[in-house]
Amino acid sequence: AQTVTQSQPEMSVQEAETVTLSCTYDTSESDYYLFWYKQPPSRQMILVIRQEAYKQQNATENRFSVNFQKAAKSFSLKISDSQLGDAAMYFCAYRTALSGNTPLVFGKGTRLSVIA
Amino acid sequence: GAGVSQSPSNKVTEKGKDVELRCDPISGHTALYWYRQSLGQGLEFLIYFQGNSAPDKSGLPSDRFSAERTGGSVSTLTIQRTQQEDSAVYLCASSLFDPGMDTQYFGPGTRLTVL
Repeated sequence: AQTVTQSQPEMSVQEAETVTLSCTYDTSESDYYLFWYKQPPSRQMILVIRQEAYKQQNATENRFSVNFQKAAKSFSLKISDSQLGDAAMYFCAYRTALSGNTPLVFGKGTRLSVIA
Repeated sequence: GAGVSQSPSNKVTEKGKDVELRCDPISGHTALYWYRQSLGQGLEFLIYFQGNSAPDKSGLPSDRFSAERTGGSVSTLTIQRTQQEDSAVYLCASSLFDPGMDTQYFGPGTRLTVL
């Protein structure tokens, strides 16, 4: 079974600075998807960014980018120019690409605080 | 368009009572998922529906948990004889049946508290 590990329960960053959240995963599959979701206090999970394992190019969405290291099974999220609204729980998630829609496997999350 | 909605937003119940949690997926989404988020834990998969196929129940923690999806749309998660360890946030998500683009969209969840 696949597992996802987020080794940083909590992180903090100064407003306008850059922060990197770590995620590692364990799988024997070669084709899969990786996601970062944000969960603010409202509880609504919001997709931040996704990466297809077969793509070597790292995904980027505005201030959010990933460092995908397939051989190392690492998928870190970099947030540039941090804003107060970035404060939330961040979850890394894995989904197999082998058989259509499948449930996500989540890490335990990293709570990000943004200091004004 | 409207997102995934869940009701109630919060539910407090007494140990031993049954509860029903409702999920309204995004219109046109054929896949629907239930997850549980316990305090300090990540999200744990419970059950998955895809169209008219038999649901994937592999994540249900006990036979006290069940779910149904009527007409391929609204889903109800039922917990019988609730226990204190059932206290958690229950999240529902839906997606299109498109393996390459099946981003899961989440509802705001139901916070269940079992006293």
